[in-house]
Amino acid sequence: DIVMTQSPDSLAVSLGERATINCKSSQSVLYSSNNKNSLAWYQQKPGQPPKLLIYWASTRESGVPDRFSGSGSGTDFTLTISSLQAEDVAVYYCQQYYTTPFTFGPGTKVDIK
Amino acid sequence: EVQLVESGGGLVQPGGSLRLSCAASGLSFSRYWMHWVRQAPGKGLVWVSRINTDGSGTTYADSVRGRFTISRDNAKNTLYLKMNSLRAEDTAVYYCAREGPAAGEVFMDVWGKGTTVTVSS
Repeated sequence: DIVMTQSPDSLAVSLGERATINCKSSQSVLYSSNNKNSLAWYQQKPGQPPKLLIYWASTRESGVPDRFSGSGSGTDFTLTISSLQAEDVAVYYCQQYYTTPFTFGPGTKVDIK
Repeated sequence: EVQLVESGGGLVQPGGSLRLSCAASGLSFSRYWMHWVRQAPGKGLVWVSRINTDGSGTTYADSVRGRFTISRDNAKNTLYLKMNSLRAEDTAVYYCAREGPAAGEVFMDVWGKGTTVTVSS
């Protein structure tokens, strides 16, 4: 199985400041058919289901604010919130969809400082 | 509006069975591969199972293989998860989710609100 790890476990950022979350996969998730990385990011607010933010490591889902961006390749990926807003308080998960089982990272909790 | 609505959760004794349903609306259900994902209380997301468009192909996490069965009825726009031999560690919120539309897009772009399964005596 591909093991996904995330760092940090949690972080607190001032409103308007940048938040950066890292995700690492235990093996490459590069999809050879399109040369893209099979890596997605989800946001989950308390009491709500997850919401897709980013797929193919850097493609923003329709309707997601452009302060959210994804980057990285191979085994190392990053989700950046460029200017944290109050509504961004949530747990963020990365997920590889390169191969079954489709594993998620343990999550990173983002709070306001 | 695309909507997935899960039902069928509840309290069941260890060793018991449940069947979860996920009713889809606002989408061409038969065109999409579908998933079940679960989340134990206070824990992270765990992928459970996946089914192809016509129900002929299924995959499972090791933890549920042989006990859970995913299926679908495209005429009823409904996804199912039959869970047998339930264990305490199966206690979780179960989400159904739609897979992305193109080849290789095995991310989940639409999620239901979930249904809670509690396995306890």
